[in-house]
Amino acid sequence: QAVVTQEPSLTVSPGGTVTLTCGSSTGAVTSGHYPYWFQQKPGQAPRTLIYDTNNKHSWTPARFSGSLLGGKAALTLSGAQPEDEAEYYCLVSHSGARVFGGGTKLTVL
Amino acid sequence: QVQLVQSGAEVKKPGASVKVSCKASEYTFTGYFIQWVRQAPGQGLEWMGWINPNNGGTYYAQKFQGRVTMARDTSISTAYMELSRLRSDDTAAYYCATGGHYFDYWGQGTLVTVSS
Repeated sequence: QAVVTQEPSLTVSPGGTVTLTCGSSTGAVTSGHYPYWFQQKPGQAPRTLIYDTNNKHSWTPARFSGSLLGGKAALTLSGAQPEDEAEYYCLVSHSGARVFGGGTKLTVL
Repeated sequence: QVQLVQSGAEVKKPGASVKVSCKASEYTFTGYFIQWVRQAPGQGLEWMGWINPNNGGTYYAQKFQGRVTMARDTSISTAYMELSRLRSDDTAAYYCATGGHYFDYWGQGTLVTVSS
């Protein structure tokens, strides 16, 4: 089974920009892996921010965007807000199976 | 608004089985797959598999094959996830999720504690 890797932790200043990445042990992450990005705050269920690489839900704040960057899926947060402090998980598809990354703890400080 | 309401917390002994339910409302139950995801305390998310409520088809993560069974009852718009031969490391919150993009809407989670 593929191993999906994310930065364990990142820090961004309020109003700043940060990019989280999601890599796969099997090689480059492409649109064919249909990457997702989820946000999870303590004590809450995850919430989908991005699906299929770069598509947003109606509830996804405009400051979040998804892309492919250097063989990885990427989540960029532009203009970080205090409420964006959370754990972020990516998910990719591999031949029908889904694999989560280990998560990135994002601190807004 | 799509809603998924899960059954309450469970405490089980090692070797036992647990069955978690996920009741759907405010949409056509057979229209979307139901995914199951778990999260051990302080750990990350782990995908377990899915069920297609339309025909009962299932796909399980390799790690859980032989131990997990996903089922549904369309008459009451409810999906089930049963995990057998429980071990202490199965202690986790178990979530169901659904939607046109598979993970749009999530249940509130069901905490399963495995302890002797």
